[in-house]
Amino acid sequence: KNEVEQSPQNLTAQEGEFITINCSYSVGISALHWLQQHPGGGIVSLFMLSSGKKKHGRLIATINIQEKHSSLHITASHPRDSAVYICAVRSMGTSGSRLTFGEGTQLTVNP
Amino acid sequence: EAQVTQNPRYLITVTGKKLTVTCSQNMNHEYMSWYRQDPGLGLRQIYYSMNVEVTDKGDVPEGYKVSRKEKRNFPLILESPSPNQTSLYFCASSSRTADQPQHFGDGTRLSIL
Repeated sequence: KNEVEQSPQNLTAQEGEFITINCSYSVGISALHWLQQHPGGGIVSLFMLSSGKKKHGRLIATINIQEKHSSLHITASHPRDSAVYICAVRSMGTSGSRLTFGEGTQLTVNP
Repeated sequence: EAQVTQNPRYLITVTGKKLTVTCSQNMNHEYMSWYRQDPGLGLRQIYYSMNVEVTDKGDVPEGYKVSRKEKRNFPLILESPSPNQTSLYFCASSSRTADQPQHFGDGTRLSIL
């Protein structure tokens, strides 16, 4: 079992829909990242969370440390949101500063 | 403009021919890292560096070397590349550790024949 599991693997939505992508992890963490990978391949950091909730425009990220779970929400989705969304965690209790990644969620938003 | 620059963007080469992928950041970041991305496996960390002259292994370090002689540069060296190192490689940096937002380079697509 991977340390970081994302669901769903693929998601197709209609423009305007509310979207949720989930990330579950099996280890104690000190930080969780949400990344966006554009169709051209570039990767952008969306959020870094250690607790609670963060909001940026139409994107909202939440984390529940006790349940080892995070969600990324997109409100009023738009075709330009089509991308791969990747969750990554920094584990606690390990020496150094490694990041472990989920496999990503491919989101397609149709007009 | 704050950025992480990787070179080359694309490279096709042959087995056994030493190559270096360069990575440079202009944000005075302490933390730098290399990742490879493969279909079905996602991103995996190869090596990271917490500061000058401090490097450590990630999850898949075999077949790779790195060095951090200057704060801004973190080259990835493949001494004897093999076809299983064909992949998309990303360099990233952050201000101090993996607990800060990561800034990614544009990626290097490497093909080893």
